[in-house]
Amino acid sequence: AQSVSQHNHHVILSEAASLELGCNYSYGGTVNLFWYVQYPGQHLQLLLKYFSGDPLVKGIKGFEAEFIKSKFSFNLRKPSVQWSDTAEYFCAVKSNAGNMLTFGGGTRLMVKP
Amino acid sequence: DVKVTQSSRYLVKRTGEKVFLECVQDMDHENMFWYRQDPGLGLRLIYFSYDVKMKEKGDIPEGYSVSREKKERFSLILESASTNQTSMYLCASSLGGAWLGEKLFFGSGTQLSVL
Repeated sequence: AQSVSQHNHHVILSEAASLELGCNYSYGGTVNLFWYVQYPGQHLQLLLKYFSGDPLVKGIKGFEAEFIKSKFSFNLRKPSVQWSDTAEYFCAVKSNAGNMLTFGGGTRLMVKP
Repeated sequence: DVKVTQSSRYLVKRTGEKVFLECVQDMDHENMFWYRQDPGLGLRLIYFSYDVKMKEKGDIPEGYSVSREKKERFSLILESASTNQTSMYLCASSLGGAWLGEKLFFGSGTQLSVL
């Protein structure tokens, strides 16, 4: 069965710092990759997704993620975070072998103003 | 915008009670999902449905059942609630077709406490 690991459970940054959240998955075949975000008091929403093509994916609000197949990774990045990026971030993976999304444990990001 | 509505934001139930969590979506989506969200464990899929009256077990179906009698409504049922079912329950829907698991639209969640 596929699994998704997010190694950072809590991250605290100052505004303007650069962000990288790690995501690793365990599945050897073709995958589709997602990052979801949950802002305080709001619904989970899709931040970005990778299906095929350019492994560097750009999403909303200046976020991007890079799919590195050899490392089974899909790390989320943002060059300069803002206080409004404070949220919980979830990586998710769907393999072609199955019909379900598997989510990672989530990373809580706090950005200090 | 797609709207996924969960009937209760907070619920408190006693051990052994039968609990119904309701979810309605307004965009004619084929797929509907029930997840539970626990700190450090992320979202874990309980059940999903890809059509009316169709259901599939997710990763943690034990102790739960579901019902989808109408396309827009997907109910999660705890036949006999237990304290380890205290959790945040999230309903989601997606358009459907060949891609189960493509962009999900989530409800606000129901925080269930079982005493």
